[in-house]
Amino acid sequence: EAQVTQNPRYLITVTGKKLTVTCSQNMNHEYMSWYRQDPGLGLRQIYYSMNVEVTDKGDVPEGYKVSRKEKRNFPLILESPSPNQTSLYFCASSPLAGVVGYEQYFGPGTRLTVT
Amino acid sequence: GQQVMQIPQYQHVQEGEDFTTYCNSSTTLSNIQWYKQRPGGHPVFLIQLVKSGEVKKQKRLTFQFGEAKKNSSLHITATQTTDVGTYFCAPERGGSQGNLIFGKGTKLSVKP
Repeated sequence: EAQVTQNPRYLITVTGKKLTVTCSQNMNHEYMSWYRQDPGLGLRQIYYSMNVEVTDKGDVPEGYKVSRKEKRNFPLILESPSPNQTSLYFCASSPLAGVVGYEQYFGPGTRLTVT
Repeated sequence: GQQVMQIPQYQHVQEGEDFTTYCNSSTTLSNIQWYKQRPGGHPVFLIQLVKSGEVKKQKRLTFQFGEAKKNSSLHITATQTTDVGTYFCAPERGGSQGNLIFGKGTKLSVKP
């Protein structure tokens, strides 16, 4: 089944404790992206990647890191989490083809609480 | 940076009433996508619009792309409780093929 998986789905952690949220897709998509969703603010892009070893900042990259060593995986790293990073996180992927963009497939989300 | 305004932020309707959400941009868009997020779920793709003035229908949903390609709308006829959720417009970012910017969404609630 074609899907985007995220782990963990729920995480409660403390300020300053490094954590990684994994994202994996099995559709051979070139494009992957991380979003955070907060009430009233919609989906804001954190980082995105157009292909392996190609990553770029989105709208709210501060406090986050990513890597794209393999096509299928795009982990989100919080080196020193803070309470303002408490949020619902979504990973998404899509193929990139020619002139017109393709739909994005979203993972189930990771609810992160930083105390 | 590029901004997308989506209105209204919330809409409460009685089942059977119509619903419309609007998406506006200050810049000309190459294309725009629409997504639906059910409560507790993740965004799911609905449709993509590419051409100026394009109108597409999916059962009770009608999607329009403005003639100037600066705005778009989603209209639901005779809402049902299954329409509950948040609807997002997502134009492609200028100069970044395949990279989307999401509106803040319109949260629709339907009273039976």
